Amino acid sequence: GQNIDQPTEMTATEGAIVQINCTYQTSGFNGLFWYQQHAGEAPTFLSYNVLDGLEEKGRFSSFLSRSKGYSYLLLKELQMKDSASYLCAAPSGGSYIPTFGRGTSLIVHP
Amino acid sequence: GAGVSQSPSNKVTEKGKDVELRCDPISGHTALYWYRQSLGQGLEFLIYFQGNSAPDKSGLPSDRFSAERTGGSVSTLTIQRTQQEDSAVYLCASSLRAAHEQFFGPGTRLTVL
Repeated sequence: GQNIDQPTEMTATEGAIVQINCTYQTSGFNGLFWYQQHAGEAPTFLSYNVLDGLEEKGRFSSFLSRSKGYSYLLLKELQMKDSASYLCAAPSGGSYIPTFGRGTSLIVHP
Repeated sequence: GAGVSQSPSNKVTEKGKDVELRCDPISGHTALYWYRQSLGQGLEFLIYFQGNSAPDKSGLPSDRFSAERTGGSVSTLTIQRTQQEDSAVYLCASSLRAAHEQFFGPGTRLTVL
């Protein structure tokens, strides 16, 4: 199955920029998802990358390199409300069912 | 409906009892997924439905777990003879079709005493 690797925890300062990395197995790649999950809530969709490059959506951007099996989520102008877990997910082996990483807990402090 | 709904939101049961969890996906979404999440852990895939059929049941932890989907809509996840290790938040998600953005329900928090 898929093996998703992302850091367990990151901290950053309000107003700063943070990059959350994710690596995955490249075989049978069918796109990579990023979700945000606030404590005690369900995950919500942030982005879906299928092609290489950077996709920007407001303060959030997601990057993909298929040859390297690597993605990152870039959060700019951090706000306190961005404190949450960020989940990287990707299917493998030709499946369409994404395997989720354990998530990166981002703590934004003043 | 506006989004994915799940019921009950909380369920406390005694070890050995059966429980049934319900998921109402977004209307028109053909793909439906069940996951469970233990405290501080990632999402563990349980089962995937495409329409009423389940092409992938590989994530079900044991034969005590079963799920069905009827009318291409509502799904129920049944856990028989619950064990304490079954305690977790059970999340349901639906998507327009496979490999699309998933919309998650609020989850059912299951506690087995």
